Amino acid sequence: AQSVAQPEDQVNVAEGNPLTVKCTYSVSGNPYLFWYVQYPNRGLQFLLKYITGDNLVKGSYGFEAEFNKSQTSFHLKKPSALVSDSALYFCAVRDIKALGRLYFGRGTQLTVWP
Amino acid sequence: GAVVSQHPSRVICKSGTSVKIECRSLDFQATTMFWYRQFPKQSLMLMATSNEGSKATYEQGVEKDKFLINHASLTLSTLTVTSAHPEDSSFYICSARVSGHTDTQYFGPGTRLTVL
Repeated sequence: AQSVAQPEDQVNVAEGNPLTVKCTYSVSGNPYLFWYVQYPNRGLQFLLKYITGDNLVKGSYGFEAEFNKSQTSFHLKKPSALVSDSALYFCAVRDIKALGRLYFGRGTQLTVWP
Repeated sequence: GAVVSQHPSRVICKSGTSVKIECRSLDFQATTMFWYRQFPKQSLMLMATSNEGSKATYEQGVEKDKFLINHASLTLSTLTVTSAHPEDSSFYICSARVSGHTDTQYFGPGTRLTVL
């Protein structure tokens, strides 16, 4: 079965500092991994994905994520956080069989303080 | 990028009435759409997978007679909450998978349903 875990409910960082939002996964086969961001009362916005290729994936708004097969992790990172990055972040893994359904982590609330 | 819309964005209804929520892919065709429910400060719960021209596949515990899903075209799926009750109040989000590209889903902005 596919699953992802986001071990932190909340991450707080100061503006300008680097940020990391953690995600680990469990899959059978090759993982298809995603990061989405959700602002209050809005749907999810796609940030980036890892399917194959380079372990460092660059996405929207300056975010990037590093795929680490040995640690089964796909942490989201940004070199310099902005207050506007404050939102709820979801890691997800795609089921390779069931019509592409996504399995989401429970989400991590990122707060960037000025 | 691909755009998915939902209508309405917010709806308030009386207990016992039915509410229809539309999900449209605006600039691409989607053979598969997904319907999720999200409770406050929680993750998304997949309710059902909607396939164009066929019956939806419901997740365990989701009542198919209460949450009617119709995927009549490659750009439109609807979710009808029948005989709504206050416990159905939630944030409903749809997503659409780009046909031929099985790896990315694009999400609608969500519909806030409040049942009085």
